[in-house]
Amino acid sequence: DAKTTQPPSMDCAEGRAANLPCNHSTISGNEYVYWYRQIHSQGPQYIIHGLKNNETNEMASLIITEDRKSSTLILPHATLRDTAVYYCIVRDMEYGNKLVFGAGTILRVKS
Amino acid sequence: GAVVSQHPSWVICKSGTSVKIECRSLDFQATTMFWYRQFPKQSLMLMATSNEGSKATYEQGVEKDKFLINHASLTLSTLTVTSAHPEDSSFYICSAPQTGSYEQYFGPGTRLTVT
Repeated sequence: DAKTTQPPSMDCAEGRAANLPCNHSTISGNEYVYWYRQIHSQGPQYIIHGLKNNETNEMASLIITEDRKSSTLILPHATLRDTAVYYCIVRDMEYGNKLVFGAGTILRVKS
Repeated sequence: GAVVSQHPSWVICKSGTSVKIECRSLDFQATTMFWYRQFPKQSLMLMATSNEGSKATYEQGVEKDKFLINHASLTLSTLTVTSAHPEDSSFYICSAPQTGSYEQYFGPGTRLTVT
């Protein structure tokens, strides 16, 4: 699986959009970009995934660059409960394929 | 979404004893489950892949004789930490992909403290 690079930490004001970047310059054609988050002392939670098109769901939006070498997770209106570690992972879609976690980004949402 | 449970949620044991952690997929079947370990302020580290009806696949550096994995049914995988030592104290998390789904569902984790 391709490796990802994320900033170690970011701060965001409550109510503002949180934009979390991820670099995955060695991503291959059959690999998807996944985002998970982990709130302190809990199991990770799936947020969103995409291949090459931008994606949006009730939690977030995912913007993938045209060359697919980087992406941005957007939380449109961050709340204090969004404070967590956010992980960007690339992997292919084969069933049973493992998720390999990098260091992630600690997002602190402040009031 | 699908639910994965773990039991116990936390456990304290004495050095030298063995501890079993259960991972269950509550509303779906999982032929594969994954076990992770997480030390404080660190990321999740994949330990092994649990396969129903066959032997687990361990990641490099993980002792298979110390961390015994059994995937006895399509909804249950167990991780047994044998002869536990204080350095085994950690947060153990399991996950399971649902067939036909792009998501992988994580359990709430088990906090193991070895005294």
